[in-house]
Amino acid sequence: KNQVEQSPQSLIILEGKNCTLQCNYTVSPFSNLRWYKQDTGRGPVSLTIMTFSENTKSNGRYTATLDADTKQSSLHITASQLSDSASYICVVSPHPTGFQKLVFGTGTRLLVSP
Amino acid sequence: DSGVTQTPKHLITATGQRVTLRCSPRSGDLSVYWYQQSLDQGLQFLIQYYNGEERAKGNILERFSAQQFPDLHSELNLSSLELGDSALYFCASSVGDKSSEQYFGPGTRLTVT
Repeated sequence: KNQVEQSPQSLIILEGKNCTLQCNYTVSPFSNLRWYKQDTGRGPVSLTIMTFSENTKSNGRYTATLDADTKQSSLHITASQLSDSASYICVVSPHPTGFQKLVFGTGTRLLVSP
Repeated sequence: DSGVTQTPKHLITATGQRVTLRCSPRSGDLSVYWYQQSLDQGLQFLIQYYNGEERAKGNILERFSAQQFPDLHSELNLSSLELGDSALYFCASSVGDKSSEQYFGPGTRLTVT
């Protein structure tokens, strides 16, 4: 069964600190992996999207890594800001050429404290 | 602002009723996707349309149906509503029907009482 698991479930860090969120998946075959940021009550916003051949991708203070061999990804947030408080969702696309039946993780809820 | 619009923003209705949620994709996007997000749950893919045709089906109940119109806007119809249908319903759109980036709308919050 295609699954995406994220850890930790929730995290509290102090403003200015770094943090790393984890994503493990069992989706096969694998097309691409995405990280989304979702503010409470709002639609997800894409942070990064990586194919199986990419190891790392950055978007400002957000850096995603991917190890397709171990089926693990991480999202590193540098110098956190209060506005980073949100849920971060790992999403995997299982179809390399087919339609987009994305598999969503349940997210990591991040709270950045002043 | 993603460019995807959804109406209404909030909807409160009673069990057994029927509602219609509307989504307008970004200009130029041909694919529309519907997702359900219950309280503290992950996003669940419901259904995808591409240029008016159904392309993929996820965990969509038989009481739910959707369509995409010639102007590419889409509607999600929910009938015989139950308390458990209370959730945020998101629409997303993308240019293509495969691995292209999806842009999410602001969602419709449905409350069934």
